[in-house]
Amino acid sequence: GIQVEQSPPDLILQEGANSTLRCNFSDSVNNLQWFHQNPWGQLINLFYIPSGTKQNGRLSATTVATERYSLLYISSSQTTDSGVYFCAVVNSGNTPLVFGKGTRLSVIA
Amino acid sequence: GAVVSQHPSWVICKSGTSVKIECRSLDFQATTMFWYRQFPKKSLMLMATSNEGSKATYEQGVEKDKFLINHASLTLSTLTVTSAHPEDSSFYICSARDTREGAYNEQFFGPGTRLTVL
Repeated sequence: GIQVEQSPPDLILQEGANSTLRCNFSDSVNNLQWFHQNPWGQLINLFYIPSGTKQNGRLSATTVATERYSLLYISSSQTTDSGVYFCAVVNSGNTPLVFGKGTRLSVIA
Repeated sequence: GAVVSQHPSWVICKSGTSVKIECRSLDFQATTMFWYRQFPKKSLMLMATSNEGSKATYEQGVEKDKFLINHASLTLSTLTVTSAHPEDSSFYICSARDTREGAYNEQFFGPGTRLTVL
């Protein structure tokens, strides 16, 4: 099946810093989603982005489908941004999302 | 975005008992729902795909007799952990795909159920 790799696995930032999280996938995708899992375990949808670029406030994402990677940018990070960021993809049809191992982000004041 | 609820949010039970977890899509109909399991500091692993009106499809290595899935309506799927044992303790998360026009089949997740088996 499709493989999803995320980097870095862990990231510690000072409040106000910017960061880039990467997601590589091993095959073509028709769905790619970014999630933030908060400390209570809730997965929050950040972006649905199988291709192109989207922005939502301090967050933006870019997926280059032909090169099989996606990037999540966090600008002016805040302590509330802490948690785990997951990239998940669908390879074909209506198969379920396959998750990467996530990037654990800690933003310190 | 679409809303998916789960109940209960946490449950503690004795070894040998069965536990039922409900997953509901609140503002859309879902012919397909998914059940994931997550261990501490690990990623989500798909357990099964729940199909309305038909049998669930289980991933390799998941015991279908232990994890019973019923998708009786377009808004409700249930996962029953039968004869639970301590090794079944985990965080169980359901999700549903929003197939409404303009929703692009985006997948939304419930808040999860934390199961502890004593």
